[in-house]
Amino acid sequence: GQQLNQSPQSMFIQEGEDVSMNCTSSSIFNTWLWYKQEPGEGPVLLIALYKAGELTSNGRLTAQFGITRKDSFLNISASIPSDVGIYFCAGQLRDSNYQLIWGAGTKLIIKP
Amino acid sequence: KAGVTQTPRYLIKTRGQQVTLSCSPISGHRSVSWYQQTPGQGLQFLFEYFSETQRNKGNFPGRFSGRQFSNSRSEMNVSTLELGDSALYLCASSWGGDRVTNTEAFFGQGTRLTVV
Repeated sequence: GQQLNQSPQSMFIQEGEDVSMNCTSSSIFNTWLWYKQEPGEGPVLLIALYKAGELTSNGRLTAQFGITRKDSFLNISASIPSDVGIYFCAGQLRDSNYQLIWGAGTKLIIKP
Repeated sequence: KAGVTQTPRYLIKTRGQQVTLSCSPISGHRSVSWYQQTPGQGLQFLFEYFSETQRNKGNFPGRFSGRQFSNSRSEMNVSTLELGDSALYLCASSWGGDRVTNTEAFFGQGTRLTVV
């Protein structure tokens, strides 16, 4: 089936550092969504992207829809302890029956 | 505006039993998707219902089934439970129609199923 390659799998960061993660595919997407999941909870939608090249911010988070429509990245600036969690990307393929395809997640861990 | 509600939050069942999980989507949403998440794993897509019809299906055995009612509420059923079915089951709702923004999915808190 279709796959999204999300990297890195996990990140150990110092508080205050900037973070970057991305999702890539060989397929073309119409929509990219970024979610954050905290332990024991459902994922929460952070940012939605609808057009190639679109750059959207939500506070310290910024995400971009790749020009080729095959990738997207999420940046977190000046990380804080509450940023810990698992970040997922999801995309809707150009030629699909509305189904979302999910990345495997990036686990963000703050170094003590 | 109420969010996605899943019941129950926690469930313990014995191997061989069956279980039914419930999901009430956001008012107005017509699409409900179900996912299985095991510890440290990503989201494994089970199936999606739109306007009472199954529109998409993942690669799970037939023991996993679902349905959607006319008010868009959905249930998921797992028969003949196995130990490996222990997981967090998540439900997500969306508008589900043709507008591009209709793909935005909103999740419930999940049902934690433990099979012993």
